[in-house]
Amino acid sequence: GQNIDQPTEMTATEGAIVQINCTYQTSGFNGLFWYQQHAGEAPTFLSYNVLDGLEEKGRFSSFLSRSKGYSYLLLKELQMKDSASYLCAVKKAAGNKLTFGGGTRVLVKP
Amino acid sequence: DAGVTQSPTHLIKTRGQHVTLRCSPISGHKSVSWYQQVLGQGPQFIFQYYEKEERGRGNFPDRFSARQFPNYSSELNVNALLLGDSALYLCASSFRALSSLNTEAFFGQGTRLTVV
Repeated sequence: GQNIDQPTEMTATEGAIVQINCTYQTSGFNGLFWYQQHAGEAPTFLSYNVLDGLEEKGRFSSFLSRSKGYSYLLLKELQMKDSASYLCAVKKAAGNKLTFGGGTRVLVKP
Repeated sequence: DAGVTQSPTHLIKTRGQHVTLRCSPISGHKSVSWYQQVLGQGPQFIFQYYEKEERGRGNFPDRFSARQFPNYSSELNVNALLLGDSALYLCASSFRALSSLNTEAFFGQGTRLTVV
């Protein structure tokens, strides 16, 4: 099976930086996704890491270390609209599916 | 270009009834996956279809079935509905089967099913 762990909830101030960690245990790792999901809406694709290192996309960056089974999503210059759940999902080479963590609810305060 | 579209957006059904949910993938995408998301949890995988064949099945009872049509759209069917089937049902579209490297998945807006 797979274990994907991420914190349940985080609070940060507008303009600040927040780092959401995700650890996983899996065999046949074939990539890790980060999605943003606002309440009552569908997940929106943020990033996909398959190789070690940092991927930067504007205010959002995602990091992967395959040897450590670890990823993080970094949100910079936080805005109120960034208040949402952030989902970490792992893809395996076999099985044709994404396995999601429980999501991290981020609350941005003024 | 239209993204992943799902219908209906909301649905209320009674216990014991059956339901059919529909999904149209992004144009050019040949793979569709279905996920169930219960409130407060991450999505759980139900099925994946690629080129009209089932390529993966999650840990769901036989009451759940799906199929993919020649135009790559898909239907998810749930029979004998239970209260616990109340959830957001998400469809994800990808160009290839998800087992392929560098294949990303994009979600539709979901169908919120309430079973009463």
